[in-house]
Amino acid sequence: AQTVTQSQPEMSVQEAETVTLSCTYDTSENNYYLFWYKQPPSRQMILVIRQEAYKQQNATENRFSVNFQKAAKSFSLKISDSQLGDTAMYFCAYLNPNFGNEKLTFGTGTRLTIIP
Amino acid sequence: DTGVSQDPRHKITKRGQNVTFRCDPISEHNRLYWYRQTLGQGPEFLTYFQNEAQLEKSRLLSDRFSAERPKGSFSTLEIQRTEQGDSAMYLCASSFSRNTEAFFGQGTRLTVV
Repeated sequence: AQTVTQSQPEMSVQEAETVTLSCTYDTSENNYYLFWYKQPPSRQMILVIRQEAYKQQNATENRFSVNFQKAAKSFSLKISDSQLGDTAMYFCAYLNPNFGNEKLTFGTGTRLTIIP
Repeated sequence: DTGVSQDPRHKITKRGQNVTFRCDPISEHNRLYWYRQTLGQGPEFLTYFQNEAQLEKSRLLSDRFSAERPKGSFSTLEIQRTEQGDSAMYLCASSFSRNTEAFFGQGTRLTVV
């Protein structure tokens, strides 16, 4: 079974600083997807960034980028120029896209607080 | 289309009562997922549908839980004879295909007293 581990329960950084959230996963599959989801307080979960395992290039979305190390099964999220609105729970998630096994497997999350 | 909608947002029920939650996915999405999230944890998969067919159920989904998606549109999740351990946030998500982004609703928070 696939597992996702987030070893940082809580982090805090000053506004405008850069922060990196860690995620490791375990799978025997070669083709899969990885995601970072953001869950603000009392609001719905939204996708921050996704990475296809077959792509060597790290995904980037504006201030958000990932460091995908397939051999090490590591998938960290870097947030540059952090903003107050980045305060949220961040979940790393894994998806096996094979038919009949399409569920997201989430880590336990990292609570990120941006300090003004 | 305003996204994935869940109703109710909050539900308090007495132990032993039955509860039903509803999820309305994004209209063109054929896949619909239910997850459960307890405090301090990430969401855990419960079940998913492709159109009206329920394709997978987690072992977390005991025989007290049932989910339906009639006509491949909205879905309902029913919990019979609720227990205190059922207290959690129940999240619904939908996606267009298995390779595309899943959009989440705001969830239904269930408290069993």
